[in-house]
Amino acid sequence: NAGVTQTPKFQVLKTGQSMTLQCAQDMNHEYMSWYRQDPGMGLRLIHYSVGAGITDQGEVPNGYNVSRSTTEDFPLRLLSAAPSQTSVYFCASSYSVRLSYNSPLHFGNGTRLTVT
Amino acid sequence: GENVEQHPSTLSVQEGDSAVIKCTYSDSASNYFPWYKQELGKGPQLIIDIRSNVGEKKDQRIAVTLNKTAKHFSLHITETQPEDSAVYFCAARPSGGGADGLTFGKGTHLIIQP
Repeated sequence: NAGVTQTPKFQVLKTGQSMTLQCAQDMNHEYMSWYRQDPGMGLRLIHYSVGAGITDQGEVPNGYNVSRSTTEDFPLRLLSAAPSQTSVYFCASSYSVRLSYNSPLHFGNGTRLTVT
Repeated sequence: GENVEQHPSTLSVQEGDSAVIKCTYSDSASNYFPWYKQELGKGPQLIIDIRSNVGEKKDQRIAVTLNKTAKHFSLHITETQPEDSAVYFCAARPSGGGADGLTFGKGTHLIIQP
């Protein structure tokens, strides 16, 4: 059981370039989300999805797009990368949208992105 | 919205001693409080969680306590070992919905000194 898989592990972009961070889960989870982790800032929610075809914004959505065409995949797109988007990005999923002791959040191992 | 404060940001303890990490939350309606451990180069991993109707929960060397009146919850690790060295995050989930995820503290870097 692979869990939550993120690719690539590392990426360097130049300002203005675009790219897609991939996230896939094989647990048939309904809820998927993207967080970014910055030093001293903890984990902040970018976008989330409660099911295929449904997405919504989190705390820091600007500069990012998402889509959810299947239950398994939830890619994060940077349309025009900026140095402020240098961060570690984590995808996370859960069985239910109501996160709880019987539906906890499972994280992938992250993508470290540097924008120069 | 919910705000979670976590202290300390760095904690260094001798191997075998206990470690305590504390968090406070602002939304009195929050009802789920997980703790995550993040090892270097990996994603956060759930280690223990507690519901708002429970005051304490234990799992071997780790325990979590919750004081709803004070809006305060803590992680306790006893008999610390080198493999406990990691960054620990507390989080809270407001009762309003949950689809907008968890609100995380800023993390505590726990260092176990040999």
